[in-house]
Amino acid sequence: GAVVSQHPSRVICKSGTSVKIECRSLDFQATTMFWYRQFPKQSLMLMATSNEGSKATYEQGVEKDKFLINHASLTLSTLTVTSAHPEDSSFYICSARTAGGGIQETQYFGPGTRLLVL
Amino acid sequence: DAKTTQPNSMESNEEEPVHLPCNHSTISGTDYIHWYRQLPSQGPEYVIHGLTSNVNNRMASLAIAEDRKSSTLILHRATLRDAAVYYCILGGGTSYGKLTFGQGTILTVHP
Repeated sequence: GAVVSQHPSRVICKSGTSVKIECRSLDFQATTMFWYRQFPKQSLMLMATSNEGSKATYEQGVEKDKFLINHASLTLSTLTVTSAHPEDSSFYICSARTAGGGIQETQYFGPGTRLLVL
Repeated sequence: DAKTTQPNSMESNEEEPVHLPCNHSTISGTDYIHWYRQLPSQGPEYVIHGLTSNVNNRMASLAIAEDRKSSTLILHRATLRDAAVYYCILGGGTSYGKLTFGQGTILTVHP
């Protein structure tokens, strides 16, 4: 299957600082990427849809000014958690959608980024 | 969004087949049925997806009911590495490609 990478795999930061997480599709181009968040013992929750060359679309309840998304190329989307607080500590996972439409289209997920805000 | 219903947990023995059920009675005609699995502290791994016909790949088979209101993921010979949370998700179609994860089925494989 297609490969999606994330960097960093884990990060610890102080409260009030900003953290950037990168998501890359390594062997395919992705016009659409998605960002999820997963708290312990819970399922994944979709945060936003990232479209190359346009503004991201955020799910209800997700603050767009706090979670900045930039999809500057067909293989890279970044999520910046601004002014992070301890409640932002979570497992952040991205996915990239293959092109082609119909049955050819599916999503591949990155390995996740563990964020701990002290 | 169309929802899916899966058992909270299932158990299997190693090298035996496993049938993971999923109900999706409100599926629309354009919704694809996707299966992913997730190990602890890892991102979900794509398993299989289909629309109407049964699908096979090297990981699993997907059997889709004729009315599409249910489906079954089949692992032909479970291994210890298949122990994971399995998610059945409806995507594409009316959800515009977004995948909404439910709680999934925790599969335990006994040696």
